Amino acid sequence: DQQVKQNSPSLSVQEGRISILNCDYTNSMFDYFLWYKKYPAEGPTFLISISSIKDKNEDGRFTVFLNKSAKHLSLHIVPSQPGDSAVYFCAASLSGTYKYIFGTGTRLKVLA
Amino acid sequence: DVKVTQSSRYLVKRTGEKVFLECVQDMDHENMFWYRQDPGLGLRLIYFSYDVKMKEKGDIPEGYSVSREKKERFSLILESASTNQTSMYLCASTKWDTEAFFGQGTRLTVV
Repeated sequence: DQQVKQNSPSLSVQEGRISILNCDYTNSMFDYFLWYKKYPAEGPTFLISISSIKDKNEDGRFTVFLNKSAKHLSLHIVPSQPGDSAVYFCAASLSGTYKYIFGTGTRLKVLA
Repeated sequence: DVKVTQSSRYLVKRTGEKVFLECVQDMDHENMFWYRQDPGLGLRLIYFSYDVKMKEKGDIPEGYSVSREKKERFSLILESASTNQTSMYLCASTKWDTEAFFGQGTRLTVV
């Protein structure tokens, strides 16, 4: 049973526009969420995180929104750049368990 | 910068061979993880360790074992490699309740 779901396997966006990547989770006890970016043949790199006590966290072009009642988080990239083309994974964690549950990933393609 | 280093980028092994994947981190992190990444399945946790000589099964431990004799090193062992273990293997480490840092991955092909 997939506890963290990314229902869009792929997304294409024009350069300069906004990219919105979505993630849903089923366990309401999750209290820490992260987004990772992964290029082919490389390990994932951490992008941004959010604690369940917040509903928004921003870092440069990247903003993560958390809607706890809907068990939904999203990553906004503005403006999108060709170098953002990668697979994006969301992950969720429960404090004290030291485990991260990852989604299946969304492949973002930013078109020049 | 945190560095997580996996011993090989690419490996090709034969069915039935014993395979060792090594991972070393240099930031004194307590927790270390092994994941595999497969298309359409995301990252799935195989095993993790929260201290030296401590290990816990993840979601897909069958066919794997691990060893953590030193804090900085976490090894994944395929006792008898099979073709369904062909995958990208990713090692990660964290301090308590912080983001995980990943190695560059090992692409293992079992023929």
